[in-house]
Amino acid sequence: AQSVTQLGSHVSVSEGALVLLRCNYSSSVPPYLFWYVQYPNQGLQLLLKYTSAATLVKGINGFEAEFKKSETSFHLTKPSAHMSDAAEYFCAVSGTSNNNDMRFGAGTRLTVKP
Amino acid sequence: DTEVTQTPKHLVMGMTNKKSLKCEQHMGHRAMYWYKQKAKKPPELMFVYSYEKLSINESVPSRFSPECPNSSLLNLHLHALQPEDSALYLCASSQVGAGADRNTIYFGEGSWLTVV
Repeated sequence: AQSVTQLGSHVSVSEGALVLLRCNYSSSVPPYLFWYVQYPNQGLQLLLKYTSAATLVKGINGFEAEFKKSETSFHLTKPSAHMSDAAEYFCAVSGTSNNNDMRFGAGTRLTVKP
Repeated sequence: DTEVTQTPKHLVMGMTNKKSLKCEQHMGHRAMYWYKQKAKKPPELMFVYSYEKLSINESVPSRFSPECPNSSLLNLHLHALQPEDSALYLCASSQVGAGADRNTIYFGEGSWLTVV
């Protein structure tokens, strides 16, 4: 079964600094990978997804992620953090079958300091 | 704005009450989901419906009873819950079939449940 591991439960950056949130996957077949963001007291919003069409995926709000098969990684980055980026970020993986059983990593809380 | 609508946003119920959470989507999706999320934890899959039939039940206690009346609606019936069932309950939907686009899940804002 596929799974994802997020390294670092809490990341703190200064406003304007690079954001790097780490995600590694475990899957016997090429998985489908996703990043979601959850703002306080809200549901999950899709940031971006890996579709195998391109290894570098661009998402909303200036975020992007790069799929690296050799490293089994799908890290999320943003060149310059904004205060509004403070939220919980979840990496997720789903299988390639018709029965979608998306599984989430433990989450990384991003704090942005002024 | 999310296209998955959940009601109510907040629910407080006693351990002997019967209540329901409701979810509606108008994206033409044929798969719908219930997830449970505790504070500072990731969402945990509870149920998956595919073409209005239950396809995944993650060994959820019978005090949670899902229902999918049609392709747009999903309910979660609650009965004899415990305080530890207090959580955010997220409804979601997706297309059905293989492929990243079909596997993309769209979430509602959630229903906050407190069991007293």
